[in-house]
Formats: sequence, structure tokens, C-alpha cells
Amino acid sequence: DTGVSQNPRHKITKRGQNVTFRCDPISEHNRLYWYRQTLGQGPEFLTYFQNEAQLEKSRLLSDRFSAERPKGSFSTLEIQRTEQGDSAMYLCASSLGRFTDTQYFGPGTRLTVL
Amino acid sequence: DQQVKQNSPSLSVQEGRISILNCDYTNSMFDYFLWYKKYPAEGPTFLISISSIKDKNEDGRFTVFLNKSAKHLSLHIVPSQPGDSAVYFCAASGVNFGNEKLTFGTGTRLTIIP
Repeated sequence: DTGVSQNPRHKITKRGQNVTFRCDPISEHNRLYWYRQTLGQGPEFLTYFQNEAQLEKSRLLSDRFSAERPKGSFSTLEIQRTEQGDSAMYLCASSLGRFTDTQYFGPGTRLTVL
Repeated sequence: DQQVKQNSPSLSVQEGRISILNCDYTNSMFDYFLWYKKYPAEGPTFLISISSIKDKNEDGRFTVFLNKSAKHLSLHIVPSQPGDSAVYFCAASGVNFGNEKLTFGTGTRLTIIP
């Protein structure tokens, strides 16, 4: 078990382009979370999945953002028509899904929008 | 509206002494609290957690104290070691209210002076 992995680790894109990030959770973890962290702030919740079902979305997740978790395994986060304000570290975490189970984070994908 | 607050952006402590990091929260629905450590270019790493039914939890050099009436928690690291230098985030969730997403503070940068 190698922990939560995220790809790519870094992404530089031009404003208006679409980008997609991937997260592979720890195997057998039912819950998968996406957070975003900007400079000087703590991570902020974006959305989470219980298996393949997306259970909650933050108001931070505008309609340009979409997340999927097909078959309840890996997840993708897509940002369409990127804006400079989307520049941030995008973090993925997973947990077993019981009430107080710890969320384990991946290394993150750093997005820079030029 | 910052529901989890870490009012000290930075803290410097001599190696071998005690490090005390503080966190305050405002939401009475939070009932599970965690501390994460973060190195540059890595995702947050789980350190220790505490449920609201307890007032203390200890794991090796790390102890978390919870004062529910004051809505305050603290992390004690004894003795502090150079490898403890990192950014520490306090996080909270309301697991018994069906709210497993984490709300983070803005972090405290701890520097251990050899």
C-alpha cells in the first residue's frame, strides 16, 4: 500500500484551457475527498464521494468544476475554462468511511494558471 | 467566516523544549478534531486526533488537549525535535452530525531551533 497518489504533481496551463487531475486513493477506502489550498490558507473542502456516489459539493465548486469517481476507485477533478483564481494546490484524501476514520492525504497537484 | 482559527502564524521553540500550538473553533457542531503536519510540496500528514467525549489524547511525544467549554484545543510536542519543523494545521468535523468533511485552520509554522 503506497498511500494516496495524485497525478500530475504540477500543471501549468493558460487561462481558458481545461485541466484534469487524477487521484488514486488507498485501496479499500470507500470515501474520497477533494480539497483546495491557496497560499497562506488551510485546505478547503470541495467535494467528497462515498464509493461512486458524490455526496456533497461545496459552494466553492463552481459549474466549471466537475468531479467523478467511476466504479468507486480512482477519481478525476476537471476544471473547464481555467481562470487565474484557480491557481492552487488541489489535494485528495481518502478514508475507510466510518465516522471517525482518519483522512489520509495525497501529495497534491499544484495548478498554475497563466 | 473562519470557523477554525489558529491565531499564531508562526512559533519558534528551542530543541528539547515543549512546543504548544493552539486552535480555537466557533461551531458547536464540531465533535472530532485532528492535527495535521505539512512539509513543503507534500500533502498534510495526520498526527493525532481527539473526539469531543475526551479531553486528552496522547501518542508518543504528541498530546492533544480539548476544552469544549472554551472551544479550544492545543497540541503539545515534548520534547521538540528539528524534524518537527513544519506547518501544523488544526482541523475539525462534525461526524455525529453527518458532517465528515474537514474544516481547517490557517496553520502555524513551527520552527525548532537546534
